[in-house]
Amino acid sequence: AQKVTQAQTEISVVEKEDVTLDCVYETRDTTYYLFWYKQPPSGELVFLIRRNSFDEQNEISGRYSWNFQKSTSSFNFTITASQVVDSAVYFCALSEDSGAGSYQLTFGKGTKLSVIP
Amino acid sequence: DTEVTQTPKHLVMGMTNKKSLKCEQHMGHRAMYWYKQKAKKPPELMFVYSYEKLSINESVPSRFSPECPNSSLLNLHLHALQPEDSALYLCASSRTSGRAKTDTQYFGPGTRLTVL
Repeated sequence: AQKVTQAQTEISVVEKEDVTLDCVYETRDTTYYLFWYKQPPSGELVFLIRRNSFDEQNEISGRYSWNFQKSTSSFNFTITASQVVDSAVYFCALSEDSGAGSYQLTFGKGTKLSVIP
Repeated sequence: DTEVTQTPKHLVMGMTNKKSLKCEQHMGHRAMYWYKQKAKKPPELMFVYSYEKLSINESVPSRFSPECPNSSLLNLHLHALQPEDSALYLCASSRTSGRAKTDTQYFGPGTRLTVL
């Protein structure tokens, strides 16, 4: 069975602080893909990043950065100099084999980030 | 362009009504998905269409009936719903058939459904 754990249910930070959202996963697959999505109050799930299991390079996109550590099965997400617009629920997800060659996303429970001005 | 559109944005219906949710994408994607999301929970997969054919049905009650008229459109027909079916219904699409781990799913803004 595959599982994604986001232990932080809610986080509050003051604007301009850095914040890290944790994601730990379990899988028996040797090749797998991990994703982060952002869900603002409007409801749409916004794709942020996809990372495959063979690429452990950290990635930076503006104020966003991701730290993939295969040894600890973690794929953490850091927002630098947080802004009020970063307030949202963030989901980590794992691409899972649902059988018969089909794949579906297994989501973590999400972390609600509130950035206080 | 990674846009998936959904209509309506909000829907209120009684338990005896029949209504439909619509989803559209023009990215040439060949897999489309319906998810249900309750408050403070992650999305739950309901259906997957691959090349306009239903490939996954996650034991969803028959009061939800999906339809994929063509590769760009996905409908969800609703009939005799229960109050517990009130949720955010999200549509998504992905480039390939849903048979690749690499597929990135792009989501629409969702329809907030309230069943009275």
